[in-house]
Amino acid sequence: GAVVSQHPSRVICKSGTSVKIECRSLDFQATTMFWYRQFPKQSLMLMATSNEGSKATYEQGVEKDKFLINHASLTLSTLTVTSAHPEDSSFYICSGVGTVNQPQHFGDGTRLSIL
Amino acid sequence: AQKITQTQPGMFVQEKEAVTLDCTYDTSDQSYGLFWYKQPSSGEMIFLIYQGSYDEQNATEGRYSLNFQKARKSANLVISASQLGDSAMYFCAMREGWNTGNQFYFGTGTSLTVIP
Repeated sequence: GAVVSQHPSRVICKSGTSVKIECRSLDFQATTMFWYRQFPKQSLMLMATSNEGSKATYEQGVEKDKFLINHASLTLSTLTVTSAHPEDSSFYICSGVGTVNQPQHFGDGTRLSIL
Repeated sequence: AQKITQTQPGMFVQEKEAVTLDCTYDTSDQSYGLFWYKQPSSGEMIFLIYQGSYDEQNATEGRYSLNFQKARKSANLVISASQLGDSAMYFCAMREGWNTGNQFYFGTGTSLTVIP
């Protein structure tokens, strides 16, 4: 099946640090990539949708200046959490879709802990 | 209204038995896709099965089958011959329309525990 590589898998850093998370589609071209946040024992919460070469579309309540998304190519999207604070600690997971009849293929997620 | 409803927060099943996880959806679109994902405690989201709104036959993938009742707007996942490794969270999802940029709506999930 289609593979999406996401790293790092775990990050622990100090408050105020910026953290970049990469999401790569390894064996397909991801026309669209999605970024989610998931709190313990809850469902996925969509943060933003990005198409290659376009600005990301953010969901209501998600700060664009805090969560910077770049989708520079059909195989790479990055999420940068700028000046992270403890409340940003969460599980972040990306996914990619190639064609319309495909499911979203997810990365393995990143557990972000801000001290 | 919720786009995807999963009414079973937690389910238990005996090993080797079959189990049905419920999912109902709400859409006025004619074209949509329904998906099931498994999320083990390690966190990754594993795609299990897909059903398109125009598919006349129920989707099957190995031990997974999707009981698609279009008139009832339900898309229940059936896992046959449960295994201990099936213990995980299961999410039902829907994409409306025919565009890769359309978001997936996820249900709240069902936690499945397989009992030896």
